[in-house]
Amino acid sequence: GAVVSQHPSWVICKSGTSVKIECRSLDFQATTMFWYRQFPKQSLMLMATSNEGSKATYEQGVEKDKFLINHASLTLSTLTVTSAHPEDSSFYICSASRQGVGELFFGEGSRLTVL
Amino acid sequence: AQSVAQPEDQVNVAEGNPLTVKCTYSVSGNPYLFWYVQYPNRGLQFLLKYITGDNLVKGSYGFEAEFNKSQTSFHLKKPSALVSDSALYFCAVRGYHTGKLIFGQGTTLQVKP
Repeated sequence: GAVVSQHPSWVICKSGTSVKIECRSLDFQATTMFWYRQFPKQSLMLMATSNEGSKATYEQGVEKDKFLINHASLTLSTLTVTSAHPEDSSFYICSASRQGVGELFFGEGSRLTVL
Repeated sequence: AQSVAQPEDQVNVAEGNPLTVKCTYSVSGNPYLFWYVQYPNRGLQFLLKYITGDNLVKGSYGFEAEFNKSQTSFHLKKPSALVSDSALYFCAVRGYHTGKLIFGQGTTLQVKP
């Protein structure tokens, strides 16, 4: 199966700092990647669709300036949480798919804790 | 709009017994349906999918799911549960035009020895 790598797996930062999370498709090219956020014991909430070479498409209610997404190549998308606050603490998961409507492959997730 | 509902927060079953985790969906056009499993503090693992074809889909670890168009359901099943199957299970639907994968609220499966 396809492998999606996410880094870092966990990060602790001070309030007001910015944190970057990387998502890489290791053995396939992904024109589209998706970023999700998950609160404890809850479902995954789609934050945005990351398109290679163009602007990300954000879901309603997700702050574009807070969660910056860059999809600079066919194998890398990054999510930057800017000026992080404790309420941004969460589990962030990225996913990618090959072309078509097949399954998405998920990274292992990044747990962000903002102090 | 596309949506998925998993009516049960938790399903409890004894090891060796059959299990069913329920899922219903709503989507415009043809449904592309998926089941994923999540272990604590981990990403999601793909179990199986329905795109087209046979309504009974077989997947990883002995799981299968039955697509029922008239009932708009895609229930996950396994003939004989294992303790190691205990985890959080998500049903999801993917929109053909949007490509977005939308998840149900998840069902915790607890298999007791």
